[in-house]
Amino acid sequence: QSVLTQPPSVSGTPGPRVTISCSGSSSNIGINSVIWYQHLPGTAPKLLIYASSQRPSGVPDRFSGSKSGTSASLAISGLQSEDEADYYCAAWDDSLNGVVFGGGTKLTVL
Amino acid sequence: QVQLQESGPGLVKSSETLSLTCAVSGYSISSGYYWGWIRQPPGKGLEWIGNIYYSGITYYNPSLKSRVTISVDTSKNQFSLKLRSVTAADTAVYYCARGHGPKFDDWGQGTVVTVSS
Repeated sequence: QSVLTQPPSVSGTPGPRVTISCSGSSSNIGINSVIWYQHLPGTAPKLLIYASSQRPSGVPDRFSGSKSGTSASLAISGLQSEDEADYYCAAWDDSLNGVVFGGGTKLTVL
Repeated sequence: QVQLQESGPGLVKSSETLSLTCAVSGYSISSGYYWGWIRQPPGKGLEWIGNIYYSGITYYNPSLKSRVTISVDTSKNQFSLKLRSVTAADTAVYYCARGHGPKFDDWGQGTVVTVSS
């Protein structure tokens, strides 16, 4: 059971926007920034969002992150077939003094 | 551009010690950053194992802390993972990565480790 809670799966058709939620607590998301990774099978995870809403260079602006209280969200607009992947949120947890991951959300593009 | 490459046995016997090394190229470990290990068991999500700073400061996942040691060898520009008393539950793809806290900017390709009975 993961410290951060994500929906196991979300789906969408090409074009519209989808969001993936990540719920935590006062010891992690509530006081620390959130990271999002994109993970395609057989490859290394890719940093998608850091500091809750910042995109590394090279990440399309279709991907955006936000945080409010003890929850965070990843939004993907203009959904494309190549966005089909697993998405993970992560944060530092002050109580555990370590990194915690969400259980991951599988995005299916219909 | 930094590159990370995991290496080590792909098969480990139950109750023995899993040992992996991450060779870093394109960046000197002693220049900074944290260096971490993350794993993904089959059909499951990512699990953080631990981080080490170039100076040797370590942070471990509390659930694994009693069995894990992460060390750094700046002379070889590599860092290592040792996981003792392994069981089938430790079967996973193991990744090494460079970053800070939960923010891992660069990852190795991953290496599959299977624990056999």
